[in-house]
Amino acid sequence: GIQVEQSPPDLILQEGANSTLRCNFSDSVNNLQWFHQNPWGQLINLFYIPSGTKQNGRLSATTVATERYSLLYISSSQTTDSGVYFCALQRGNTPLVFGKGTRLSVIA
Amino acid sequence: DTEVTQTPKHLVMGMTNKKSLKCEQHMGHRAMYWYKQKAKKPPELMFVYSYEKLSINESVPSRFSPECPNSSLLNLHLHALQPEDSALYLCASSQDRAGRVVYGYTFGSGTRLTVV
Repeated sequence: GIQVEQSPPDLILQEGANSTLRCNFSDSVNNLQWFHQNPWGQLINLFYIPSGTKQNGRLSATTVATERYSLLYISSSQTTDSGVYFCALQRGNTPLVFGKGTRLSVIA
Repeated sequence: DTEVTQTPKHLVMGMTNKKSLKCEQHMGHRAMYWYKQKAKKPPELMFVYSYEKLSINESVPSRFSPECPNSSLLNLHLHALQPEDSALYLCASSQDRAGRVVYGYTFGSGTRLTVV
């Protein structure tokens, strides 16, 4: 099956700092999503981005499908950004597969 | 309505109990999923329903029994669970199995299950 690799596994930021999270994958995909899992366990869909660039407030994402990677940018981080960020992929009809996640801690 | 609703949010059950988890969506999605997530791990697929038919069972033990009564509802029946089954159980839906919509998969907020 498709392989998903996220980096870094852990990240600690000072409030106000910027960061870039990376997701590498092993094959072409028809679905790529970035999720934020908050401390209560809720998976919040940030972006559906199998290709191209999208922005939503302080967050933006870019997927370069031909080079098989996606980046999630967080600018001016806030303590509420803490949690785990997952990249999840789908190829054809196979169900969504998750990477191991990046655990982000933003400290005041 | 762009949500997947899961009930209950928390559940504590004994190893001899029978309980059910419920999941509901009204987005017209025709594929629904159960995922299991252990602490500090990513979600892992358990079951896939497509057009109300079970299409994937990821070798899940029979003490977990899924049911899709209609296109909006998905249940997970639990019986004779073990303490190691304690986890967060997440339900998701998508337009179809290929997720061909601008939103991809939508997840519910999960049921945190503790087996004692």
